[in-house]
Amino acid sequence: KNEVEQSPQNLTAQEGEFITINCSYSVGISALHWLQQHPGGGIVSLFMLSSGKKKHGRLIATINIQEKHSSLHITASHPRDSAVYICAALNYGGSQGNLIFGKGTKLSVKP
Amino acid sequence: ETGVTQSPTHLIKTRGQQVTLRCSSQSGHNTVSWYQQALGQGPQFIFQYYREEENGRGNFPPRFSGLQFPNYSSELNVNALELDDSALYLCASSWSAQETQYFGPGTRLLVL
Repeated sequence: KNEVEQSPQNLTAQEGEFITINCSYSVGISALHWLQQHPGGGIVSLFMLSSGKKKHGRLIATINIQEKHSSLHITASHPRDSAVYICAALNYGGSQGNLIFGKGTKLSVKP
Repeated sequence: ETGVTQSPTHLIKTRGQQVTLRCSSQSGHNTVSWYQQALGQGPQFIFQYYREEENGRGNFPPRFSGLQFPNYSSELNVNALELDDSALYLCASSWSAQETQYFGPGTRLLVL
């Protein structure tokens, strides 16, 4: 079992739909990242959060530390949101910190 | 302020060869992390450098080695290349190991 699990693996939505991607982790973390990866490979950091909720435009990320679960929501989805969304747990101890990644959720938003 | 850059963008090598990948960190960032992403998989942590010292290592063999320079740019070296080393190699820089990591565009390596 992977230390960071995402669901679903693939998601197809119609433009305008509300989208939720889930992430569960089994390791102790100091923070959780949500990342966006486009087909060319480049990765953009969307959020880093360690508690509660963060919002940026149409994107909302929540985390429940007790349940070891995080969600990424996209409101009013648009075809340009099509990408792979990856959650990554920041495993931090001492001065070291590395990201443990989920396998990603491939989102396709149809016009 | 420039972002994280990597070179080259693409590379083709044959089994047994050696390769060096380069990463320039974002201005002011002293921590660089390297990741390997195989096709269809999430990235895997290779190692991290902080102020020119290795600061953590993932489950990769010693033929994967690295360097960080005084200007905080970094190199990833892979010796005795194997077919399974074919992947996208990502570097990410940050202010510290605790802070948000900013990713470069990656180097796509193909080993034949």
